[in-house]
Amino acid sequence: DIVMTQTPLSLSVTPGQPASISCKSSQSLLHSDGKTYLYWYLQKPGQPPQLLIYEVSNRFSGVPDRFSGSGSGTDFTLKISRVEAEDVGVYYCMQSIQLPWTFGQGTKVEIK
Amino acid sequence: EVQLVESGGGLVQPGGSLRLSCAASGFTFSSYSMNWVRQAPGKGLEWVSYISSSSSTIYYADSVKGRFTISRDNAKNSLYLQMNSLRAEDTAVYYCARDSNNWNYYYGMDVWGQGTTVTVSS
Repeated sequence: DIVMTQTPLSLSVTPGQPASISCKSSQSLLHSDGKTYLYWYLQKPGQPPQLLIYEVSNRFSGVPDRFSGSGSGTDFTLKISRVEAEDVGVYYCMQSIQLPWTFGQGTKVEIK
Repeated sequence: EVQLVESGGGLVQPGGSLRLSCAASGFTFSSYSMNWVRQAPGKGLEWVSYISSSSSTIYYADSVKGRFTISRDNAKNSLYLQMNSLRAEDTAVYYCARDSNNWNYYYGMDVWGQGTTVTVSS
């Protein structure tokens, strides 16, 4: 199975400040079709996960532009340019290049 | 409004069975592949199973293979997960999630239900 490793596991951020989460995969997520199957989800407290970013860097519909994704191969990053109170929750990266699809352990983001 | 609503969770003894349902509305259910994803108490997300729009392709995580069966009824806009030989480690919130793509992108799991809780305990 592809192991997804996120760092840090927790983050305390002052509102208005940036935040960054790293996700590393144990194998390249670049498919022969040219796509990289790396996704970011946010699970707010008491809610199901919601899709933030698809295929590394594409913001899903309705996702604020303060969220951005980058990376390639095995190294990926989610950045929040200016954290807001509504951004609290647990962020997960996920790969779907190879079964079983696997998630990172999650990064808990809190507001200072 | 696009919506997924799970049901069927509950308390079951080890070795028992349970059938989860997921009712879809607000979109053409028969055009989308679907997934089940679970989350054990205080833990992260674990993908469980996938079924294509026509049921022709089905995948399972090794942890549930041979015990769980995914199915769907497109006429009823419903997704199911039959869970047999349940174990304590199957205790989790079970989410159904829509799998979405277009000609250019694979969006992944773009719509999730609120989840239904399964507790396996004697």
